[in-house]
Amino acid sequence: EPEVTQTPSHQVTQMGQEVILRCVPISNHLYFYWYRQILGQKVEFLVSFYNNEISEKSEIFDDQFSVERPDGSNFTLKIRSTKLEDSAMYFCASSGTGDSQPQHFGDGTRLSIL
Amino acid sequence: GDSVTQMEGPVTLSEEAFLTINCTYTATGYPSLFWYVQYPGEGLQLLLKATKADDKGSNKGFEATYRKETTSFHLEKGSVQVSDSAVYFCALSLNTGGFKTIFGAGTRLFVKA
Repeated sequence: EPEVTQTPSHQVTQMGQEVILRCVPISNHLYFYWYRQILGQKVEFLVSFYNNEISEKSEIFDDQFSVERPDGSNFTLKIRSTKLEDSAMYFCASSGTGDSQPQHFGDGTRLSIL
Repeated sequence: GDSVTQMEGPVTLSEEAFLTINCTYTATGYPSLFWYVQYPGEGLQLLLKATKADDKGSNKGFEATYRKETTSFHLEKGSVQVSDSAVYFCALSLNTGGFKTIFGAGTRLFVKA
């Protein structure tokens, strides 16, 4: 069964540094998403992306965050200047069209900011 | 705003016990409803879904029925196993221009042998 893959599985970064989290969505999916989960807390929506542009974003997704689909297969989340509170698991997801289509999630990238 | 509320955990059960995890939602419009499961150290896996009122989603012995009148989507399993120990997330998905999924806080289930 096709799956969403994320790299790296764990990223350790100094505060203030830029970080790029990478995702390869399922190939025939059209919608792409990023979520984060701070340790022990709920999964929070960050952003959705369709047709090469952001279709929706949450309050968390401020100017420090950006997303990009640089080629036909990758979908990236960039945090420009990391803060301690950015430490979390970041999940990428993809789906087909329609709200009845479930989102398929990757295994996540654990981001640790020192 | 749109939200999902599920019962707080942890829930601790003995093997073969009956499981219910309550979930209610608030949404403008007509959402699709999902249960996701997260095993330790892993990502989120879809467990089951329902897309309209009175639909029953089922998978691996788990069931949930979309109740529009009570805005609920409670998860049930007749006989849990140790391998069911995980965190369970109730979620809804809406077409808000981006089909974002809104998750409940998660309920941790421990099943003892």
